[in-house]
Amino acid sequence: QQPVQSPQAVILREGEDAVINCSSSKALYSVHWYRQKHGEAPVFLMILLKGGEQKGHEKISASFNEKKQQSSLYLTASQLSYSGTYFCGTESGGSNYKLTFGKGTLLTVNP
Amino acid sequence: KAGVTQTPRYLIKTRGQQVTLSCSPISGHRSVSWYQQTPGQGLQFLFEYFSETQRNKGNFPGRFSGRQFSNSRSEMNVSTLELGDSALYLCASSSVAGGQNEQFFGPGTRLTVL
Repeated sequence: QQPVQSPQAVILREGEDAVINCSSSKALYSVHWYRQKHGEAPVFLMILLKGGEQKGHEKISASFNEKKQQSSLYLTASQLSYSGTYFCGTESGGSNYKLTFGKGTLLTVNP
Repeated sequence: KAGVTQTPRYLIKTRGQQVTLSCSPISGHRSVSWYQQTPGQGLQFLFEYFSETQRNKGNFPGRFSGRQFSNSRSEMNVSTLELGDSALYLCASSSVAGGQNEQFFGPGTRLTVL
């Protein structure tokens, strides 16, 4: 089942902060975050694993609440380059790998 | 290191035809996943291959199929094309199967069905 992202869209001014949420109805093994700029391929930002391990960019932070099956991506002091669509992808574990993405959050950063 | 490549980048087909898309993963990567991206649905998982074996499949009809070769290159095929198959098809490679590693996406193949 597709995770739900919120908000669907957000507009910021440079320097402002934003939080993007991702929630699932299934128990999660890992949560992935990707950013896609218009006309480009999605680019990896971060992976959060069950148990607390994180892999990703130093300048982007995220949280993973395993009990609530939720993850949040924190974008602080936003820059124009942060603009794009952010996708969370969730994996529920098991023997086979399947990453299910949310519909995305469109982030626009204006000067 | 060269990135993920996909060919062709653009395709225009008519209803009823079939199409084959190709994906070359990053050298050394053995896992290849395919996704369909449309404005309304976001990224929808099609299937994932690891060492020539399909390990998982999304909720798509049997018209969508794929395979992976011994050099990890992958192809996906869509038969009897429908208008609703118009989308950006993305492939992504990863060094291992499983959710612990990042996926590297290719630029995609834009398929238009008329």
